[in-house]
Amino acid sequence: QKEVEQDPGPLSVPEGAIVSLNCTYSNSAFQYFMWYRQYSRKGPELLMYTYSSGNKEDGRFTAQVDKSSKYISLFIRDSQPSDSATYLCAIPTGGGNKLTFGTGTQLKVEL
Amino acid sequence: DAGVTQSPTHLIKTRGQQVTLRCSPKSGHDTVSWYQQALGQGPQFIFQYYEEEERQRGNFPDRFSGHQFPNYSSELNVNALLLGDSALYLCASSFFFRGWYTEAFFGQGTRLTVV
Repeated sequence: QKEVEQDPGPLSVPEGAIVSLNCTYSNSAFQYFMWYRQYSRKGPELLMYTYSSGNKEDGRFTAQVDKSSKYISLFIRDSQPSDSATYLCAIPTGGGNKLTFGTGTQLKVEL
Repeated sequence: DAGVTQSPTHLIKTRGQQVTLRCSPKSGHDTVSWYQQALGQGPQFIFQYYEEEERQRGNFPDRFSGHQFPNYSSELNVNALLLGDSALYLCASSFFFRGWYTEAFFGQGTRLTVV
């Protein structure tokens, strides 16, 4: 079983829609959960991170962790064409700051 | 602040050749990690350097090696290139402080194509 799994999509939504992106993970000991955004031909950039369970909100973005089901989510409200990118969930694993990434979900927000 | 810079941007090599990729970390950062991102996949951790030593290694063969210099910049070397080594190679830097690493900043990557 992979440590982090993510539906690769692609996902296409109309402008203004609410987007839900999801990952599952295998190890209940994981405590930090991150979401990166990667535009085409660019490196990933950190969007948000959460510690343990609960929600964290930053503008139109909300990250949610459900440790009981080992499920993490990123919600994007009022999605914009500029949100079109690949979204990667990532978890620090194995000590240090080694990040284990999901496959990434490619999102397209259409006018 | 220039952020994390990688060179070259693109590279085409022939099977069996050797390649060296370079990374300059963000100003103030002392830790460099390298990742391989195949098309349609998430980045996979290759290794991490801190204080000029390899501190952690992912599941990559010995053909992949690296180095960190006193100015914290780093190189990734890949020997005996295979077609399957074609990927985007990402460098990420962070700062190690009191047992914790700060947020990892990624460079724009080097696109390696092996023909």
